Amino acid sequence: SQLAEENLWALSVHEGESVTVNCSYKTSITALQWYRQKSGEGPAQLILIRSNEREKRNGRLRATLDTSSQSSSLSITATRCEDTAVYFCAAASSGSWQLIFGSGTQLTVMP
Amino acid sequence: NAGVIQTPRHKVTGKGQEATLWCEPISGHSAVFWYRQTIVQGLEFLTYFRNQAPIDDSGMPKERFSAQMPNQSHSTLKIQSTQPQDSAVYLCASSLDFGQGAETLYFGSGTRLTVL
Repeated sequence: SQLAEENLWALSVHEGESVTVNCSYKTSITALQWYRQKSGEGPAQLILIRSNEREKRNGRLRATLDTSSQSSSLSITATRCEDTAVYFCAAASSGSWQLIFGSGTQLTVMP
Repeated sequence: NAGVIQTPRHKVTGKGQEATLWCEPISGHSAVFWYRQTIVQGLEFLTYFRNQAPIDDSGMPKERFSAQMPNQSHSTLKIQSTQPQDSAVYLCASSLDFGQGAETLYFGSGTRLTVL
């Protein structure tokens, strides 16, 4: 099983709505990263949140990290059609360099 | 900065043929990674170079797959005797350095390999 895993295969919302993607992970980690992959492209990092941080923002994006429950969330406000993509969480176990990706959540934003 | 460049974007090979995939990392980045992406398995780590030295190839299939980084400006992934199950998108990524999951990976657009 994966070190980090999103909790849903797919989500769909209408433009302008907010959406949250959740991720759970196993073991202690140094940081958790969120990536987005659009069709035909490689993944691109959205946010990196370190284990000593609880929240990180990047424009319309907000990531949280709860080390006690070993979970993270990525929220997107005022969604746009161009937010349609697969969203991955990724982490490496403490002491390891190997970044392991979850299976991803397909987000579809409808007009 | 053109980002990570991968060539070719698409490659079709016949079963049993060899395939070589190329990656040019971002200039100044010391770490280079190869991942394989399929619908079924998702993003799988294959191998990792740091300052051109192979550090971890634990994700590489033991037979037929090999990776090299002869200089700091490019890396290659070679698959010998390709099989249909090798069909996937192969992604190369680089990072400024790599320390325990807290560095940003910059991915190329990938090479889609189709083995007939």
